[in-house]
Amino acid sequence: QQKVQQSPESLTVSEGAMASLNCTFSDGTSNNFRWYRQHSAKGLEVLVSIFSDGEKEEGRFTAHLNRANLHVSLHIREPQPSDSAVYLCAVSYGNEKITFGAGTKLTIKP
Amino acid sequence: GPKVLQIPSHQIIDMGQMVTLNCDPVSNHLYFYWYKQILGQQMEFLVNFYNGKVMEKSKLFKDQFSVERPDGSYFTLKIQPTALEDSAVYFCASSSGQGAPNERLFFGHGTKLSVL
Repeated sequence: QQKVQQSPESLTVSEGAMASLNCTFSDGTSNNFRWYRQHSAKGLEVLVSIFSDGEKEEGRFTAHLNRANLHVSLHIREPQPSDSAVYLCAVSYGNEKITFGAGTKLTIKP
Repeated sequence: GPKVLQIPSHQIIDMGQMVTLNCDPVSNHLYFYWYKQILGQQMEFLVNFYNGKVMEKSKLFKDQFSVERPDGSYFTLKIQPTALEDSAVYFCASSSGQGAPNERLFFGHGTKLSVL
């Protein structure tokens, strides 16, 4: 069964410095990767979706995918305190059988 | 690592019937969530639950939906009666009580509900 692991578990970064989050997965046939963040007790906000190797940018959020290395990362440019949240990596084949990582708790210090 | 188990992985029922989706959260977690994802669409929040009570729910959490966790057993989502538009994958998640909601969420693998 697919295993998705995120690192680090928690990360503190100063405002304006690049924040980098990592996600590894076990199923090399996976082709659908999303980064979400959870601000509050309810919403999951999708940040960026990526489906092929390389880079995908959505505003200040950039995902890098390397399927050969079973690795997808998220980089946040010029993070603000309002970016403090839990960031979740979601991996699937198509839209079936989505597996989530446990999340990285990101704190942005002013 | 900690795991959230969802039972069953796939459920097929006829429209109008009742269905109960079961979630075995991470032990010692106190906050529980249900999310719904219709095939090809984004994940959407349904409800969160703490200390025996619904804390927040979305507009997707219709009157036909209910949640409970009797005596620390499974955290359940019941739909009665079901409708065709309830067909989706339902994800359960749990988190620890410390500092929630901004704590790491542990998700189950989902229960695919097919309403015929």
